[in-house]
Amino acid sequence: EAGVAQSPRYKIIEKRQSVAFWCNPISGHATLYWYQQILGQGPKLLIQFQNNGVVDDSQLPKDRFSAERLKGVDSTLKIQPAKLEDSAVYLCASSSGTSGSSYNEQFFGPGTRLTVL
Amino acid sequence: DAKTTQPPSMDCAEGRAANLPCNHSTISGNEYVYWYRQIHSQGPQYIIHGLKNNETNEMASLIITEDRKSSTLILPHATLRDTAVYYCIVRVGGSKSTFGDGTTLTVKP
Repeated sequence: EAGVAQSPRYKIIEKRQSVAFWCNPISGHATLYWYQQILGQGPKLLIQFQNNGVVDDSQLPKDRFSAERLKGVDSTLKIQPAKLEDSAVYLCASSSGTSGSSYNEQFFGPGTRLTVL
Repeated sequence: DAKTTQPPSMDCAEGRAANLPCNHSTISGNEYVYWYRQIHSQGPQYIIHGLKNNETNEMASLIITEDRKSSTLILPHATLRDTAVYYCIVRVGGSKSTFGDGTTLTVKP
């Protein structure tokens, strides 16, 4: 089966500019996650969707970050305006299970590497 | 905060078994133990998971202690391509993964 697709793979912007990332999860996966991974650290969850509803966005800096998952399939993550500390890899993951299910594996995309100058 | 603790780094000789430990002393009864690895410039890759029984697949073996407070990932014959950061995570199905900083495994010739 096709994996999680993300684009672009790399993006360089100046601070205060805006940027958007796109994710296409594995077909049929109900749950979609966006993670931020700063160099040398493990990924940190930004937001979790179940179908097109938000399950957890407690770690999302809502003053500058936004995300949507229209029709419960593709998702976009936007940063506006970007700060230097937003330089990181943004990872999208999906899983077939939903909250409360006994097991489900997360499949990760290759990530988008953002550099803010 | 991550619910697991792992050593920051380990070395292993090529062809030998790599044993990566993980402590998860506060694990709940319905939480699974998952292992992922991340090779440079790639997204995390699933390796194996378990609840309370030991598990084996084509990539690795997972040994979970009887009290479930710790586990060990075993790569039976490490190769240079196994050099990566290995993450141990505990989670219930459908929930987010809370990553720590993982263990950087370096396989040496």
